[in-house]
Amino acid sequence: QMQLQESGPGLLRPSETLSLNCTVSGGSINKRYWSWVRQPPGKGLEWLGYVFSDGRTRYSPSLKSRVTLSIDTSKQQFSLKLTSVTAADTAVYFCARLAVTTGSWFDPWGQGTLVTVSS
Amino acid sequence: SYVLTQSPSVSVAPGKTARITCGGNNIATKTVKWYQQKPGLAPVLVVYDDDDRPSGIPDRFSGSSSGNTATLTISRVEAGDEADYYCQVFDTSTNQPNYVFGTGTKVTVL
Repeated sequence: QMQLQESGPGLLRPSETLSLNCTVSGGSINKRYWSWVRQPPGKGLEWLGYVFSDGRTRYSPSLKSRVTLSIDTSKQQFSLKLTSVTAADTAVYFCARLAVTTGSWFDPWGQGTLVTVSS
Repeated sequence: SYVLTQSPSVSVAPGKTARITCGGNNIATKTVKWYQQKPGLAPVLVVYDDDDRPSGIPDRFSGSSSGNTATLTISRVEAGDEADYYCQVFDTSTNQPNYVFGTGTKVTVL
């Protein structure tokens, strides 16, 4: 059973860069799409972007100027970088596999990690 | 950008049927996914491709779509179904494709 686990700092100052990793276990990271979704406290879900195992990426139009996704297949890990964070970037960040077949959906998800931006 | 609108809350008695709607422009032309999220946990996929269920999801969960509205129906509601539910589509209507989530519906089991 595939499992995903996020890791990274939980507290950032405004203007810093958010960096998170997601480690995949129980299945291969190869030939698959991987994504990040975030959820501000008490609010809904927002897709940030995806990375394919060959490094191809696509980003949310609203965040593409600040988001970079990358992947290290040898480590079974993919990563998120979000630059110039503000309090509005405070959220639980989830990593998820993006299944792309007849449609596309997120499954499974990591448990999520809370990132707080505060001075 | 494409917007998916859900009613904020739905209340239902155990054993009855809950219907959660997701409104979007011509949503019936897109494949709709539904996720269940319980407090403090990650979302769980309950319906994909409009009306397919992942293994382990009971057939009490079903989806449908027509015109500008998609619907998740939960039959024979149980206390364990209390959660937030989100719809999701992949929008290709602009030159910047985007994965869009609905605003979410809180289902309360009375």
